Amino acid sequence: NFMLTQPHSVSESPGKTVTISCTRSSGSIANNYVQWYQQRPGSSPTTVIHEDNHRPPGVPDRFSGSIDSSSNSASLTISGLKTEDEADYYCQSHDSGNVVFGGGTKLTVL
Amino acid sequence: QITLKESGPTLVNPTQTLTLTCTFSGFSLSTTGVAVGWIRQPPGKALEWLALIYWDDDKRYSPSLKNRLTITKDTSKNQVVLTMTNMDPVDTATYYCAHRGMVRGDFEHWGQGTLVTVSS
Repeated sequence: NFMLTQPHSVSESPGKTVTISCTRSSGSIANNYVQWYQQRPGSSPTTVIHEDNHRPPGVPDRFSGSIDSSSNSASLTISGLKTEDEADYYCQSHDSGNVVFGGGTKLTVL
Repeated sequence: QITLKESGPTLVNPTQTLTLTCTFSGFSLSTTGVAVGWIRQPPGKALEWLALIYWDDDKRYSPSLKNRLTITKDTSKNQVVLTMTNMDPVDTATYYCAHRGMVRGDFEHWGQGTLVTVSS
């Protein structure tokens, strides 16, 4: 099975743009869709991006997702950062029916 | 409206078997493409996928835990049950069940989670 590696933490100022990466250890990132979840303290995760780059209803268009085959990674980009975006973010994919989560990235908006 | 709720013991002794029940509403686990998964999260740590059961009773398990896990469904009761054997203090975590729909590939809906502590 493969692993998804995320930076442990990122920080940026309100109004700025931040990108969180998610690198797949083996197999092509393009082979299986990537989802991104936001988890605020004390809450269950919620989807901010599904199937690489689709936003669920209600998720602001400040959130976008992409994949890059050259680096075998997926990225979550949040523009116009707001303090409410401060949370943990997890990427997730699958392979042969097995689900894999990344280790999570703590986003601090300061 | 889709809802899921986890239930089970909050405290388990080491070596015991944990049984958790996910009771859901708003969808049917007999609908083609639908699945329910279990995911856990130790305090302050990352999400870890445990198991997934599909509408057709296909089952998938985390490779690292598959020898300890069993997932079953009762479509008539709208429930999914996860059992985990030989519990250890490192299994202390919040356990979530989540719904994966027939269109999107993500876990669209999550339960509130239930904290299970393993301690004697």
